[in-house]
Formats: sequence, structure tokens, C-alpha cells
Amino acid sequence: NAGVMQNPRHLVRRRGQEARLRCSPMKGHSHVYWYRQLPEEGLKFMVYLQKENIIDESGMPKERFSAEFPKEGPSILRIQQVVRGDSAAYFCASSPSGRDDTQYFGPGTRLTVL
Amino acid sequence: QKEVEQDPGPLSVPEGAIVSLNCTYSNSAFQYFMWYRQYSRKGPELLMYTYSSGNKEDGRFTAQVDKSSKYISLFIRDSQPSDSATYLCAMSEGNTGRRALTFGSGTRLQVQP
Repeated sequence: NAGVMQNPRHLVRRRGQEARLRCSPMKGHSHVYWYRQLPEEGLKFMVYLQKENIIDESGMPKERFSAEFPKEGPSILRIQQVVRGDSAAYFCASSPSGRDDTQYFGPGTRLTVL
Repeated sequence: QKEVEQDPGPLSVPEGAIVSLNCTYSNSAFQYFMWYRQYSRKGPELLMYTYSSGNKEDGRFTAQVDKSSKYISLFIRDSQPSDSATYLCAMSEGNTGRRALTFGSGTRLQVQP
């Protein structure tokens, strides 16, 4: 039973480039969450998606960041025109449908902006 | 003031000790409480999941929630060197439609052999 998968595991970008982070939820899970962990800080919620819908984006920066979870394929977190402050570990979690809030996390993508 | 407070440690204990980890929170709407374990440069691993107040036991782990005091705890019995990790408490409002987890900053635990 494969867990949450994220790729790439490590991503290096230069300032101004775009970063695309992918997340495939656990089998049977239809809810996806993205969190960011800055160096020496805790995990912060960014966005919550179901298939083809953004449910809660209250933690998402207003500019340069976007997320989608299409009908087919993985969820994508996209960061345009990256800056050094975007360097962090980005984690995806998934949960089953319905009232079960249990969130299972992937291994993360470590983004380094040069 | 942070919404969830957690002592960052580090907490160092000898092998076999009972470990007590705690979090306090300010949002009375939180209903779901979780403990995650995170090894260095890995993703958080779910250890315990509790709804509302009460106790839950799973093997060497016991989670306690006291909503009246806005205080949650995780106890680890017979601690092992392999338990050395950062422990994160997390909570959500759940039924109100807010499923986002709010995390504590994590407590680093070191179990000495």
C-alpha cells in the first residue's frame, strides 16, 4: 500500500525561476493538503484541495503561489519567480473522504533557491 | 502569542524512561488532536489521533486531551533510542470545515542508550 508520494525530493532553482512540486495522495484518498516547513520553524498550512476544487487557501501567500488538484494526475504546487525566502521543505498530506481528518504525510520536497 | 505552544527541548532521557510531551493551545474550536513523529529530513509520521477529550493508548504510546485546560499530552513508556526524533503536536477544528492542521513547533527528544 503505497503512501503519499512527492517528487522531486530535492529541487534547486535560481531566483526568478519557477518551481513545480508534485504530490500523489495515498490510494483511496481524495483530499490533499500542502504545508511548508521553513528552517528552524514549524509546519505551516498552505492550502487544502479536493479533486478540481480549492477548499481552503487561507495559508497560501497571495502572490506567486498556486495549487491545483486535477481530475487526473497529481496535485501540483507551483511557485513562480522564486526568491531565497521560498527555500524550505514542502510537505503534502492526504486524507480519506468524509469525516476522517487523519492526514498522512509524504516525504517532502526540499526546495533550495540560489 | 502562538495558537499552539510546545516546548522545543531538547529533552534528553535514558533508555527505558517514561517520556512526557505536552502542548497547550488557545483556540477552543479545536476538536481533533494528533501527535506526529518526525525524523531528521523526513516527513511527519502519524502516531496518535484523538477526537475531543479523553485518553487513547496504542502500544507504548498514550495520548491525553484535556479540552477544559486546553492541554494535550503524549506519554512514551519504555523509551528506546529509536524514539529519538522531533515530536509534533497538531490539531484541527474539523467539523466546522476547517481541516487545516495547526502544529506546535516540535519537541526534540533524545533517548540515550
